[in-house]
Amino acid sequence: NAGVTQTPKFQVLKTGQSMTLQCAQDMNHEYMSWYRQDPGMGLRLIHYSVGAGITDQGEVPNGYNVSRSTTEDFPLRLLSAAPSQTSVYFCASSYSIWATTNEKLFFGSGTQLSVL
Amino acid sequence: GNSVTQMEGPVTLSEEAFLTINCTYTATGYPSLFWYVQYPGEGLQLLLKATKADDKGSNKGFEATYRKETTSFHLEKGSVQVSDSAVYFCALNNFNKFYFGSGTKLNVKP
Repeated sequence: NAGVTQTPKFQVLKTGQSMTLQCAQDMNHEYMSWYRQDPGMGLRLIHYSVGAGITDQGEVPNGYNVSRSTTEDFPLRLLSAAPSQTSVYFCASSYSIWATTNEKLFFGSGTQLSVL
Repeated sequence: GNSVTQMEGPVTLSEEAFLTINCTYTATGYPSLFWYVQYPGEGLQLLLKATKADDKGSNKGFEATYRKETTSFHLEKGSVQVSDSAVYFCALNNFNKFYFGSGTKLNVKP
């Protein structure tokens, strides 16, 4: 029963490098999302998806790209890393939040990213 | 817009003390409200939720009541344990987006 799996757990990048944070869920969830967690600021939504082929922006989308080619996977791409993107990143999924607003999120264990 | 404000921490209590963590929100429409808990090195886990005004969510001795008139969703527990030490996040869900407060760290001493 894997749930939401994020890789890698830790990553160090140099300014300007690109990378992809992976997120996969095995619960057949329609909704997937990415958050960043910064000290004193809680979690902020980066991008989200309500199904394969459908993505939308959250509160802080700049500098990040996403795609959703399958129900299971929702990778987050940093095209040109900047020190301001140093953060802890969480992927989260939910069965569906179209029909109701009371769905809970299932979180991965996070990726700690440092950009030097 | 949508936002969540919760009391800053850390909150330090002795075991068996009463806990209150304040949370207020701003939202359009009729959001659902949640409390999530985060233990060190882990992702967030749902603690409790309430979907409409006057609903009370409860779990593991924690309670919170959805108060539309005061736009609040305060978390309470009558007797905390050392194992309750964690960071607690208040959140709302509105139109497919979740909005989280900044988190309140709770330290419970034996």
